[in-house]
Amino acid sequence: LAKTTQPISMDSYEGQEVNITCSHNNIATNDYITWYQQFPSQGPRFIIQGYKTKVTNEVASLFIPADRKSSTLSLPRVSLSDTAVYYCLVGDAFSSGSARQLTFGSGTQLTVLP
Amino acid sequence: DAGVIQSPRHEVTEMGQEVTLRCKPISGHDYLFWYRQTMMRGLELLIYFNNNVPIDDSGMPEDRFSAKMPNASFSTLKIQPSEPRDSAVYFCASSRAGGSYNEQFFGPGTRLTVL
Repeated sequence: LAKTTQPISMDSYEGQEVNITCSHNNIATNDYITWYQQFPSQGPRFIIQGYKTKVTNEVASLFIPADRKSSTLSLPRVSLSDTAVYYCLVGDAFSSGSARQLTFGSGTQLTVLP
Repeated sequence: DAGVIQSPRHEVTEMGQEVTLRCKPISGHDYLFWYRQTMMRGLELLIYFNNNVPIDDSGMPEDRFSAKMPNASFSTLKIQPSEPRDSAVYFCASSRAGGSYNEQFFGPGTRLTVL
């Protein structure tokens, strides 16, 4: 299983861009990188997924270098409502037998300050 | 779409009692997952189903835990007998075949307290 390492916590201010980096040194060829967001008292919510280079959606961008041993979730112009725990996960996204690989680590607690 | 529905949202019971948690996945989703979240252990995958068939139950902590999926729109997670260390938030999630299995849709969770 590909192990991930991400900061335990980060603070930011409203309007700033936030970058959360995740390390996954033993990522496998078929593994995708997926990020989830979890608010208190709610289930995790899928944010973005990618395999290489850059992926962007209406919520965030995901940057993946060529060696794929790390990835960076970028949240543009955060607001107070972006305060949440952000999880980086690595696993084979299209092989049903590998669902066990989808392991949520400790996540990064992002606190957005006014 | 109503999303994944779980019931009850909160459950308080006494040690030794049977607890049944319920989940209705999103219509058309073929995969259903049960997770448990605690401060100490984080979010753990307990078991998952594909087309109502259990695929991997290696995360189920012990024989006191059992899960069933009698049809595509309903699943249960049962704990019998319950113990205080089972206190946690239990999440159900579903995903669709043909899509990314990493894109799971989570329910609101059931907060279980065993006294």
